[in-house]
Amino acid sequence: EIVLTQSPATLSLSPGERATLSCRASQSVSTYLAWYQQKPGQAPRLLIYDASNRATGIPARFSGTGSGTDFTLTVSDLEPEDFAVYYCQQRSNWPLTFGGGTKVEI
Amino acid sequence: QVQLQESGPGLAKSWETLSLTCSVSGSSISSYYWNWVRQSPGKGLEWIGYIYYSGMSTYNPSLKSRVTISLDGSKNQFSLRLTSVTAADTAVYYCARDPGMGTARGHFDYWGQGMLVTVSS
Repeated sequence: EIVLTQSPATLSLSPGERATLSCRASQSVSTYLAWYQQKPGQAPRLLIYDASNRATGIPARFSGTGSGTDFTLTVSDLEPEDFAVYYCQQRSNWPLTFGGGTKVEI
Repeated sequence: QVQLQESGPGLAKSWETLSLTCSVSGSSISSYYWNWVRQSPGKGLEWIGYIYYSGMSTYNPSLKSRVTISLDGSKNQFSLRLTSVTAADTAVYYCARDPGMGTARGHFDYWGQGMLVTVSS
C-alpha cells in the first residue's frame, strides 16, 4: 500500500501567518491526493481534492499543489478557525490511505 | 443538506462482532459510493471499505477477512459488520460519502459525526 508521510508533525504559527504543510508519497500518486481538516471532536472536512481543486465552500486561502510524490497544502493568512490537524489522503491505489497528520497550533 | 449519522453499540466484547449502521438523509443512497473509515490513536485514519448501490463492495485488504458492508436502499442506510474484534479495533468509526457516480472518486465529501466503539474483554 502507498504510505503518506506528512511534515512537520506540528507547526506553530500565529493568526495572519502562512502555513505550508507537506505530504510525501512512497510512490507516485499522480495528482490523486486530497487534503482534510479535522478539529477536536469533529469529523474530517474535505478541503482539496485531486491535488489542487478546492471542495465546495472552502475559502480561497486554502490551496494545494503538487504531483507525483510531493504535495503541499498552503493556508495563507491563517484565521483563528484554521488551527486544526490536517491530513492528506491518496486515491491512486487501493487501499485508500491517509497520512499521519500535521497539527497547526497557535 | 446531506447528513450521515452512525448508530450502534458503543461497546463490543473481544472476539465478538461489531455492527454499525449509517443513516443517510439529503442524498439518495442509490447513487454515490458509501464508505466506512475509522480513526484510532495508534493507527490514525484507516479506510475500511465501500459499497455501491449495485451491491459492489471493496475492502481494505488488512480487514477484508473480517469485514462486510451492506446497504438497505429502502431505509437509505448502509451498515458495517466487523467480526472477531480485539482491542486493536477500538476506534472512532465514521461513515462517509464518496461523490463519485458510476466511478468512485476516492475522496469523501460528507462524513458522519463519528461513533466511538470500545472493545473490551
